[in-house]
Amino acid sequence: QVQLQESGPGLVKPSQTLSLTCTVSGGSISSGDYYWSWIRQHPGKGLEWIGYIYYSGTTFFNPSLKSRVTISVDTSKNQFSLKLSSVTAADTAVYYCARDRVGSGIRSFDIWGQGTMVTVSS
Amino acid sequence: DIQMTQSPSSLSASVGDRVTITCRASQSISSYFNWYQHKPGRAPKLLIYAASSLQSGVPSRFSGSGSGTDFTLTISSLQPEDFASYYCQQTYTTPWTFGQGTKVEI
Repeated sequence: QVQLQESGPGLVKPSQTLSLTCTVSGGSISSGDYYWSWIRQHPGKGLEWIGYIYYSGTTFFNPSLKSRVTISVDTSKNQFSLKLSSVTAADTAVYYCARDRVGSGIRSFDIWGQGTMVTVSS
Repeated sequence: DIQMTQSPSSLSASVGDRVTITCRASQSISSYFNWYQHKPGRAPKLLIYAASSLQSGVPSRFSGSGSGTDFTLTISSLQPEDFASYYCQQTYTTPWTFGQGTKVEI
């Protein structure tokens, strides 16, 4: 079955760029039936959607992060990636990637990665 | 942004109990609404989509209802593996937003 796995540094210095990759296995990221999203969870807090990408490269971001976020896709590697620039301690969180599907006309995240903890600290 | 407010934020229950969690949206979202289960260190799991549709593989003791602004997740008979946090989500309009979560404890 389809699985997602996040990877990337667990520690990033303030003002630098956080970079994470999500590898999709068991299915093709180029399937037109899905979008691919990033979500994060601050320690002890709720979930925050960051943005999504379609295999064609079309993206949409949360306005609260839009100025600092880049999401890209590499269909040859079956991966999509997140870059968040100018990070501060407020960006410390567990970052999840997820498959974003349309079921009954409703978008939902039907498959998630395990998540990766990223700490912003000098 | 559409605000999603869950209640309660936590609850204590026993195996076999009927558990109900509610979520209220700050504006009408029709049925563009989902429920997720999340256990520490695990990937979140989609339980209910489109307010009342059971995701494939999810036990039938989970059910969802509601439309517009008020939604409910019901666990008909709580099982040991159901102790977790539960989150609601709206996908009516971007940015997609989540509730703050409900922790179900023993």
